[in-house]
Amino acid sequence: AQKVTQAQTEISVVEKEDVTLDCVYETRDTTYYLFWYKQPPSGELVFLIRRNSFDEQNEISGRYSWNFQKSTSSFNFTITASQVVDSAVYFCALSEAPWGGGYQKVTFGIGTKLQVIP
Amino acid sequence: EPEVTQTPSHQVTQMGQEVILRCVPISNHLYFYWYRQILGQKVEFLVSFYNNEISEKSEIFDDQFSVERPDGSNFTLKIRSTKLEDSAMYFCASSEASAGYGYTFGSGTRLTVV
Repeated sequence: AQKVTQAQTEISVVEKEDVTLDCVYETRDTTYYLFWYKQPPSGELVFLIRRNSFDEQNEISGRYSWNFQKSTSSFNFTITASQVVDSAVYFCALSEAPWGGGYQKVTFGIGTKLQVIP
Repeated sequence: EPEVTQTPSHQVTQMGQEVILRCVPISNHLYFYWYRQILGQKVEFLVSFYNNEISEKSEIFDDQFSVERPDGSNFTLKIRSTKLEDSAMYFCASSEASAGYGYTFGSGTRLTVV
């Protein structure tokens, strides 16, 4: 069974501060995919990143960066110099990958609500 | 960039009524899904669908739910007799044959049961 834990339910930061959102996952598979999604107040799910279990390189995209560590089963997300527009709920998610492809069920964490205060 | 399209964006229905939520997956995707998010809670898997049949369904997906791909483009979720607790955001998603790639969510349908 797969499980995603986001221990921080709500975080408030002042604009321009850096903030890290934690994600810890559990899976019995050796091949899996990790995701981060942003859900603004309008409700849609905005895809941020996908990372497969064989690629532990950290990734940076503008003010966003992700730290994937298999040794601790963590996939943390950092926003540098936060802005008010970053205020949203952020979901970490996990999908186990069947050999040869096929359908995948995505398991979401409970989400972290980030509030950036001007 | 290809999108998964969901209609309507918001639907209000009376308890006991049937509703059909519609989705148009990305055209070359083969796997289709529905997820549900009760307000303020996490997104939960409902069902996956491939080759015109259900691949997996969760405990939430009981007999009042059904899915269908009535033609080559649409994918629908039917709730036969809605209850107040069915009020939620429903997300459709589709994915390619290769694991991990092209997993795309629609923008959701907010269902309100009154």
